Amino acid sequence: KAGVTQTPRYLIKTRGQQVTLSCSPISGHRSVSWYQQTPGQGLQFLFEYFSETQRNKGNFPGRFSGRQFSNSRSEMNVSTLELGDSALYLCASSLNRGGNEQFFGPGTRLTVL
Amino acid sequence: SQKIEQNSEALNIQEGKTATLTCNYTNYSPAYLQWYRQDPGRGPVFLLLIRENEKEKRKERLKVTFDTTLKQSLFHITASQPADSATYLCAHGGNNRLAFGKGNQVVVIP
Repeated sequence: KAGVTQTPRYLIKTRGQQVTLSCSPISGHRSVSWYQQTPGQGLQFLFEYFSETQRNKGNFPGRFSGRQFSNSRSEMNVSTLELGDSALYLCASSLNRGGNEQFFGPGTRLTVL
Repeated sequence: SQKIEQNSEALNIQEGKTATLTCNYTNYSPAYLQWYRQDPGRGPVFLLLIRENEKEKRKERLKVTFDTTLKQSLFHITASQPADSATYLCAHGGNNRLAFGKGNQVVVIP
């Protein structure tokens, strides 16, 4: 089975721009969670989607949003980029919402200049 | 507020020895804890999950314990190898919303 894939792997943007990141979960997995990883804050939960609905949201501003499609693929969007949004954005998929292991993708490295 | 904490200092250990990492949690009682491994530039990889009613869990050279009295989980790598060098993260949560500790870097010296 193919693992979780994320595109693009690297992205450079300037302040004020917006960005869309994509995640394809493992085939058959219905839950997709997004995390932000920075050296200072570590891994922080952004949101989780299951059956095309946002089920959980972390403590991030409204500039961070996401969606999930009927094939479980997910996208996250960050609008009005700030320097502090520079981070590794990780997507994780799970079979269901049972809270068991998550399978992470390689991440998208976003740099905001 | 709920906190999950790991010692941020790197652990340098000689090959063949046992590496022991600590994960402490405060202000809540998680039903389970998970441990992940992360290599530079890659996403975390799930290693083990231990539930609150399990004292110990093993997988090959890895062992995890869960002490609800001390509010602590210990992660052991026995007979460590250079390939075990990585950052190890503990996490808790439900419904695919995980809260992670900052992670512990382990360096195994040949």
